[in-house]
Amino acid sequence: DVKVTQSSRYLVKRTGEKVFLECVQDMDHENMFWYRQDPGLGLRLIYFSYDVKMKEKGDIPEGYSVSREKKERFSLILESASTNQTSMYLCASSSGTESSGNTIYFGEGSWLTVV
Amino acid sequence: AQSVSQHNHHVILSEAASLELGCNYSYGGTVNLFWYVQYPGQHLQLLLKYFSGDPLVKGIKGFEAEFIKSKFSFNLRKPSVQWSDTAEYFCASSSGGFKTIFGAGTRLFVKA
Repeated sequence: DVKVTQSSRYLVKRTGEKVFLECVQDMDHENMFWYRQDPGLGLRLIYFSYDVKMKEKGDIPEGYSVSREKKERFSLILESASTNQTSMYLCASSSGTESSGNTIYFGEGSWLTVV
Repeated sequence: AQSVSQHNHHVILSEAASLELGCNYSYGGTVNLFWYVQYPGQHLQLLLKYFSGDPLVKGIKGFEAEFIKSKFSFNLRKPSVQWSDTAEYFCASSSGGFKTIFGAGTRLFVKA
């Protein structure tokens, strides 16, 4: 089974703090993603990466950055956390091959509260 | 731009009722379509997907979805829901690239 592991389930941070959310996948997937999930808005893509050191902006990249130094690890960084970044953050990965049909596998999510 | 619309934000059903959740996508080219489910306290998981071939797709737990290209729809159905189907359901589409677009989600509550 594919496993996507997010390092923290629950975090509480102060406004202005730098926040790191870590994600590791164990299936040698090329593609990794960070989404945020908010009620009534579904999942919105923040950033994705299709290879080591490669990254692409998603739909809502403002206020976030990412890092992918190793294939299995994809980090989301909030440079200066703000209260409107309080949300559930989901990491995901996919193999990106035609045979997989781009099926995405999700981690359990990280609940971030910014106070 | 590619988008996914889910018709209902909240659905409340009694056990044994039939379910149909609407989903429409906007992309006019080749698409992969998905339904994901998130049970309370659990992570998102794939329910079923359409990639090619038979437009009627069967997934886990008795769910199925029908891809109707002319209507840009991929509605999810189950003939008889159970209390354990209480969850949030997300429709998603991918145009074959890296990006998958999700709908806003539909919260289903099944009364025992």
